[in-house]
Amino acid sequence: DGGITQSPKYLFRKEGQNVTLSCEQNLNHDAMYWYRQDPGQGLRLIYYSQIVNDFQKGDIAEGYSVSREKKESFPLTVTSAQKNPTAFYLCASSTPGLYNEQFFGPGTRLTVL
Amino acid sequence: QQQVKQSPQSLIVQKGGISIINCAYENTAFDYFPWYQQFPGKGPALLIAIRPDVSEKKEGRFTISFNKSAKQFSLHIMDSQPGDSATYFCAASSSIQAGSYQLTFGKGTKLSVIP
Repeated sequence: DGGITQSPKYLFRKEGQNVTLSCEQNLNHDAMYWYRQDPGQGLRLIYYSQIVNDFQKGDIAEGYSVSREKKESFPLTVTSAQKNPTAFYLCASSTPGLYNEQFFGPGTRLTVL
Repeated sequence: QQQVKQSPQSLIVQKGGISIINCAYENTAFDYFPWYQQFPGKGPALLIAIRPDVSEKKEGRFTISFNKSAKQFSLHIMDSQPGDSATYFCAASSSIQAGSYQLTFGKGTKLSVIP
């Protein structure tokens, strides 16, 4: 089955700790994205990567970091500098083309205790 | 800042009725307009999309109407069913660098279809 997997589904973290969310895709897509979703706020772009070893900040990158060492993987680290990290995090990927059809993973719900 | 404004925030429709969700945008550089459907605890799934060179696109019970001059587009769900109960997001795509595109999302509409 081709698709995007995110793990874990639920994650709990104490304040002051960094945590890394996993995102893997086997769709052979070049581009990958991380979004944050808060109730009633839609989806906001954190980081995106068009190719391996390259990534760009999105609209709300402060307190987050990413890496793209492999085409299939785009992990997101939520650092202790992120002031309000409790949210639903979504990873997406897309194939190059004239338009941007993005496919989403099932998400990770992060709760900071 | 680029924005996509979506309304209503929530919608209750009787089974068999028509659900209508509206979106408006400002940036004329947007060139692709997808709608996503999201069930609780799941990631959004692409439902239907339209490009600005057409005024309407229909896929089964789902239709997008697009008004380029008014910079508005809407999703119509005909014969709404309880299984359609979900949150719907409109989005608009724009180029951020050569070959790269960014989606800007509306804030979502929670649809409840009651029997």
